[in-house]
Amino acid sequence: DTGVSQDPRHKITKRGQNVTFRCDPISEHNRLYWYRQTLGQGPEFLTYFQNEAQLEKSRLLSDRFSAERPKGSFSTLEIQRTEQGDSAMYLCASSPSTGLETQYFGPGTRLLVL
Amino acid sequence: GESVGLHLPTLSVQEGDNSIINCAYSNSASDYFIWYKQESGKGPQFIIDIRSNMDKRQGQRVTVLLNKTVKHLSLQIAATQPGDSAVYFCAENFATGGGNKLTFGTGTQLKVEL
Repeated sequence: DTGVSQDPRHKITKRGQNVTFRCDPISEHNRLYWYRQTLGQGPEFLTYFQNEAQLEKSRLLSDRFSAERPKGSFSTLEIQRTEQGDSAMYLCASSPSTGLETQYFGPGTRLLVL
Repeated sequence: GESVGLHLPTLSVQEGDNSIINCAYSNSASDYFIWYKQESGKGPQFIIDIRSNMDKRQGQRVTVLLNKTVKHLSLQIAATQPGDSAVYFCAENFATGGGNKLTFGTGTQLKVEL
């Protein structure tokens, strides 16, 4: 399967703990995006990378959130001191960097903060 | 699994009928639009896209119509099948303005009745 992959698929944690999610984009795609989706809503943009450079961050991305893409391939999204309001599906997408290109999504990581 | 479509508008159709799902977008400068299908517990799946210099685009069993005057997008599914049951989101992007984030609409739950 050469699509976008995410790990883990599900994560249950206690409030105050740190969690880290991984995304592996489609191999030839230079752009990588993170979105968050809560039940009954569409995905909301968090941040995106062009290769290893983080070029845009949403106001939704508080200082407890950090994303990296150190070698321009896979990316990690870390949430520190998790809160119950962080419970959501975290989606990763990737696209080529040429013009108007479709973003292809992974299966998501479902986070539940108790 | 959890319901992606919780509290979403619902469209119920009979198997074999045509479905029309509507979406109002927000940014008159948006120049790229995508329809995604999302099944419960999965990430959004690309269906069809359209650029702002077009008003209609057809795929296999699907057609997207764009009316920039009223900022309206629609997705038509011909001969709807049980496998089409899912939540459908439209997404917009102001790509040529340098933006890369997708802004998603509310979503519509499509239920296909046998």
